Amino acid sequence: AQSVTQLDSHVSVSEGTPVLLRCNYSSSYSPSLFWYVQHPNKGLQLLLKYTSAATLVKGINGFEAEFKKSETSFHLTKPSAHMSDAAEYFCVVNDGGFKTIFGAGTRLFVKA
Amino acid sequence: GAGVSQSPRYKVAKRGQDVALRCDPISGHVSLFWYQQALGQGPEFLTYFQNEAQLDKSGLPSDRFFAERPEGSVSTLKIQRTQQEDSAVYLCASSLAAGQGNSPLHFGNGTRLTVT
Repeated sequence: AQSVTQLDSHVSVSEGTPVLLRCNYSSSYSPSLFWYVQHPNKGLQLLLKYTSAATLVKGINGFEAEFKKSETSFHLTKPSAHMSDAAEYFCVVNDGGFKTIFGAGTRLFVKA
Repeated sequence: GAGVSQSPRYKVAKRGQDVALRCDPISGHVSLFWYQQALGQGPEFLTYFQNEAQLDKSGLPSDRFFAERPEGSVSTLKIQRTQQEDSAVYLCASSLAAGQGNSPLHFGNGTRLTVT
């Protein structure tokens, strides 16, 4: 069975400081992992995906994530937060089947 | 280019009414998914279509929920005898590949259902 846990429901950072959103997963197989972002009143948008190629994955808007199998983690980072990054972020796992499982989400607040 | 389109954007139903939610996926996308997103939660899987075949409906919460995709393109999610606990945002997503886990999902903006 597959599952995903986002360790923080809310994260607050100041503009220009680093962002870290934490995600741990559980999967019986080699999973595909994704991060999606949801801005208010907008649809979910793919940030980046990991599919067993490079363990460090670069996405849009300066975000990146590192797959660490030994820690079963896929944390999302960005060196410098921007006000426009304020949104809800979802870590997502798929083990090759039909179901794609979403975490509960982490709301990112960015202070000026 | 057209993305995934969902209608209506908002729906208010009285308890006990039937509702139908429509999803127009991206043209040519084989896979279509329905998700339910309760307030403050992540999307939860409801059902999956590969073309017109419904291959997984294990996430449908009760037999009041029914989904179809008769011609392998547009899909409808129907909820009969709506209850207050059905209030949520219903998201539709499509992807190009058939049942492959590494294909990204393209989401619509959702239908917000409120049952009064």
